Amino acid sequence: QVQLVESGGGVVQPGRSLRLSCAASGFTFSTYGMHWVRQAPGKGLEWVTLIWNDGSKDHYTDSVKGRFTISRDNSKNMVYLQMNNLRADDTAVYYCAREVWFEYLSRGVDVWGQGTTVTVSS
Amino acid sequence: SSEVTQDPAVSVALGQTVTITCQGDTLRNFYVSWYQQKPGQAPVFVIYGKNNRPSGIPDRFSGSSSGNTASLTITGAQAEDEADYYCNSRDSTGTHLIFGGGTRLTVL
Repeated sequence: QVQLVESGGGVVQPGRSLRLSCAASGFTFSTYGMHWVRQAPGKGLEWVTLIWNDGSKDHYTDSVKGRFTISRDNSKNMVYLQMNNLRADDTAVYYCAREVWFEYLSRGVDVWGQGTTVTVSS
Repeated sequence: SSEVTQDPAVSVALGQTVTITCQGDTLRNFYVSWYQQKPGQAPVFVIYGKNNRPSGIPDRFSGSSSGNTASLTITGAQAEDEADYYCNSRDSTGTHLIFGGGTRLTVL
């Protein structure tokens, strides 16, 4: 059974750091790019970051560039999101998601975790 | 532009057909994925590409695309289809994903 399980969320003060983890199972993890997508309370989905299947490249939405770092350990089937200098507008449910490619090099995410909640508040 | 837009809300009578649309320049070159999200739950992948349904998704869900617009159609909407629906595509560089703002579907 293909599964993603996030952990590491919590309440943190502005300016502090938090590390999210995502455990993958049921598929060949090292062959898939992995994403983090977040959803602020009452808002829509926002793509945050992507890491290539081999960890060689990563990409970020502008609002987190320089503060967040995605990484992965293919030997452990894990992907991580290190979040530094957190701000109130980072408050959201963070989802780990598996990348999927389809026609004409289009891409999306086909498997989602249940999400972990990050609250940035003093 | 690297944005995709959706109507905020749509309603449909039980058993009728409804179409939810997604617009953006990137859609001229790439297909979208569609996701269904119910309150308190993670999104579910319901349609991708030209018109593909992942395993387990009812065949009343279908997709289409023309020009800069992608559409999700539910033929014979059920009460359990009431949810938020999001489209997503990639940007031209392939380094980012883009989500639409979501459409809240109400089944009357």
